[in-house]
Amino acid sequence: QKEVEQNSGPLSVPEGAIASLNCTYSDRVSQSFFWYRQYSGKSPELIMSIYSNGDKEDGRFTAQLNKASQYVSLLIRDSQPSDSATYLCAGTPYSGAGSYQLTFGKGTKLSVIP
Amino acid sequence: NAGVTQTPKFQVLKTGQSMTLQCAQDMNHNSMYWYRQDPGMGLRLIYYSASEGTTDKGEVPNGYNVSRLNKREFSLRLESAAPSQTSVYFCASRGSPSGKANYGYTFGSGTRLTVV
Repeated sequence: QKEVEQNSGPLSVPEGAIASLNCTYSDRVSQSFFWYRQYSGKSPELIMSIYSNGDKEDGRFTAQLNKASQYVSLLIRDSQPSDSATYLCAGTPYSGAGSYQLTFGKGTKLSVIP
Repeated sequence: NAGVTQTPKFQVLKTGQSMTLQCAQDMNHNSMYWYRQDPGMGLRLIYYSASEGTTDKGEVPNGYNVSRLNKREFSLRLESAAPSQTSVYFCASRGSPSGKANYGYTFGSGTRLTVV
């Protein structure tokens, strides 16, 4: 199993719907997880981080972590055309302070249709 | 504005030429990273520096060297460029411009390198 896997998409959702992006991971990157948004031609931008089992909400974004099943997801409520981007999932074997390297999935391309 | 600054933004090299990509951050972060991003391959770590004075290889270090000049600056050097090094290069440091302790990376705007 690759360390972090994502469906490449594209995932198309209508405006106003909930977009659900999923990521699975291996034991090697099982502590901390991050979701990045990358617009075409731009650099990745951190939008969510999650370390503990359960849900974490920030505005229209909800990150969900299930360590038993080794998956992490990102829900985007009330999707807008401006949410159209590639979403990168990343994991690390470390938590808290200290240096570590993030391992990235290849990203899921999301298109929100007006 | 606080963040990670990369130069140049675009570069075309001939095979065998050398160049250095510059990266500087003003967020007082200890850790800095260099990634390359290729279509279908995602982001792959080239080198990283956990702190000033230390550097370590990542997933794809061959053909590259790095220097952590001081706490702010981390440069990536291509000694003899090859077409396989055509890519988008991102520098990153650990942290958030907002100051939140979320331990994520902040990326620079990227360098688009073409080797012909």
